[in-house]
Amino acid sequence: QVQLVQSGAEVQKPGASVRVSCKTSGYTFSDYYIHWVRQAPGQGLEWMGWINPKSGRAFFAQRFQDRVTMTRDTSINTAYMELSRLKSADTAVYYCVRAVVVVGATWFDSWGQGTLVTVSS
Amino acid sequence: QSVLTQPPSASGTPGQRVTISCSGSRSNIGSNIVNWFQQLPGTAPKLLIYRDNQRPSGVPDRFSGSKSGTSASLAISGLRSEDEADYYCAAWDDSLTGPVFGGGTKLTVV
Repeated sequence: QVQLVQSGAEVQKPGASVRVSCKTSGYTFSDYYIHWVRQAPGQGLEWMGWINPKSGRAFFAQRFQDRVTMTRDTSINTAYMELSRLKSADTAVYYCVRAVVVVGATWFDSWGQGTLVTVSS
Repeated sequence: QSVLTQPPSASGTPGQRVTISCSGSRSNIGSNIVNWFQQLPGTAPKLLIYRDNQRPSGVPDRFSGSKSGTSASLAISGLRSEDEADYYCAAWDDSLTGPVFGGGTKLTVV
């Protein structure tokens, strides 16, 4: 079955960077885009961007464009999201999500378990 | 401030039918499919409805989705205690070139 397993919780200081991994299994990694979505404590869902595992091309939400990097390693079916210049407002659970795209319609059918990133001095 | 608008809370008694609304605009709901997610406490969201009204395998037919113009709705019939969760709508937004979410609706089964 499709699985997305993320790396463990992180505590980082303001100004530092964090990298979250998302190891996938149960399907052909290069066939589905991976998106990243975050959720601040008690808040809703916020989309950050996507990566095409086949080409490595990534696209980011405007508010994260200068701070986020998304990469992948096709040899181990894993996607990565790195967020730099962390602020306390970046404290959130970060999810990787598999996206299904059919005739221009996109939906998220499988989610990782989430990685809590805490930014605190 | 979420791009899609949902009521912050909803409630019902066991066996009842409840609906949750999701309002957007021409660039998102008006042009693209709507998806719904259920998030149980302490867990990741789970796909509940996709392509406006389709259920993934394993989702009971008590859950149904509909869309008209720039609004969508999720209906839950035969309400059960295990339906207590947060529900989010989502749609692709052509202006933002990415998906947007509603702020979430907390459903309480009283």
